[in-house]
Amino acid sequence: EAQVTQNPRYLITVTGKKLTVTCSQNMNHEYMSWYRQDPGLGLRQIYYSMNVEVTDKGDVPEGYKVSRKEKRNFPLILESPSPNQTSLYFCASSFKGREYEQYFGPGTRLTVT
Amino acid sequence: GQSLEQPSEVTAVEGAIVQINCTYQTSGFYGLSWYQQHDGGAPTFLSYNALDGLEETGRFSSFLSRSDSYGYLLLQELQMKDSASYFCAVRAKAAGNKLTFGGGTRVLVKP
Repeated sequence: EAQVTQNPRYLITVTGKKLTVTCSQNMNHEYMSWYRQDPGLGLRQIYYSMNVEVTDKGDVPEGYKVSRKEKRNFPLILESPSPNQTSLYFCASSFKGREYEQYFGPGTRLTVT
Repeated sequence: GQSLEQPSEVTAVEGAIVQINCTYQTSGFYGLSWYQQHDGGAPTFLSYNALDGLEETGRFSSFLSRSDSYGYLLLQELQMKDSASYFCAVRAKAAGNKLTFGGGTRVLVKP
């Protein structure tokens, strides 16, 4: 089944404790992206990657890191999480040139206390 | 930068027609996408307008007018399962490959 998977689905952590949210897709998509969703603010792009070893900042990259060492994986790293990073996070992927049609993972609900 | 404006909420009854408008401010973009998101779920792609005009996909249609910086999603023959949030999104030419979403419109369908 074609899908985007994220882990964990739910995470409660404390300020400053490094964490990684994994994202994997099995559709051979070149483009991968991370979004955060907050009430009233819609989806905001954090980082995206056009292909292996190619990443770029979205609209809200501060406090986040990403890497793209393999085509299928695009982990999101919070080196020192803060409460304002409490949010619902989505990973998405698409074929290059079809970034308008993105496939989203199920989401990761993160709470930072 | 880019900004997309959508109404925050729309309420309608089953069988009705709902139009969700999306106005944007961007100097140039590749096209306008629409996504649906049910409560607790992930966004799913609905439609894309690369050119001006109307695109129809079953009960849903999407429209784009670049000259008016405006687009809309039309939901016809509303069903209870259409209760969800709907987002427009653009990939602006000046923004590389960033995708910018509107704030979303929550559609509530009543019996």
